[in-house]
Amino acid sequence: KQEVTQIPAALSVPEGENLVLNCSFTDSAIYNLQWFRQDPGKGLTSLLLIQSSQREQTSGRLNASLDKSSGRSTLYIAASQPGDSATYLCAVMRYSGGGADGLTFGKGTHLIIQP
Amino acid sequence: NAGVTQTPKFRVLKTGQSMTLLCAQDMNHEYMYWYRQDPGMGLRLIHYSVGEGTTAKGEVPDGYNVSRLKKQNFLLGLESAAPSQTSVYFCASSLTSGRARDTQYFGPGTRLTVL
Repeated sequence: KQEVTQIPAALSVPEGENLVLNCSFTDSAIYNLQWFRQDPGKGLTSLLLIQSSQREQTSGRLNASLDKSSGRSTLYIAASQPGDSATYLCAVMRYSGGGADGLTFGKGTHLIIQP
Repeated sequence: NAGVTQTPKFRVLKTGQSMTLLCAQDMNHEYMYWYRQDPGMGLRLIHYSVGEGTTAKGEVPDGYNVSRLKKQNFLLGLESAAPSQTSVYFCASSLTSGRARDTQYFGPGTRLTVL
């Protein structure tokens, strides 16, 4: 069974700092890995999707890397801003040989950026 | 485009009552999913559908039924609600599944309380 772990569970940093969120997964047979953002009381917003054949994806101040063989991904946030405060979720799409199993999620990292 | 919408946004039920949650998407997506989100548990897949007229079980299907009579709609039913089904329910859709480029798009969620 695929398990996804995110470390740390919570993080509070001053505005302007660069930071790294970590995600690990137990089964390396994945199609892709996605990073989402969730604001309190809201749905999920997709930030980045990394194909299993890719090493990284970038969008603005966000950079996500994937090391499938070791079962790890990182989300790098540059020059953090108070508006980045949210819960960040990592999820993997498991390769199931033709079926669609949905995403397996980590429990998230609750990020607070102090003004 | 509205994207993924969910009805209702909030609901309170008594134990044993039944209800149906409606998910609608206007992106012509083939795949649709129902997840539940519980504190400390993360998001877990309940049921999913790979196309009109099809449904399949996810990780936590017990106590729920689903139907996909129209491509744009995915219904989640609770026949006899239990307090353990108190949760936030999210619907998601994607163009296909397993393909590297297919981001899942999430609705805003339905907060359900079973007394």
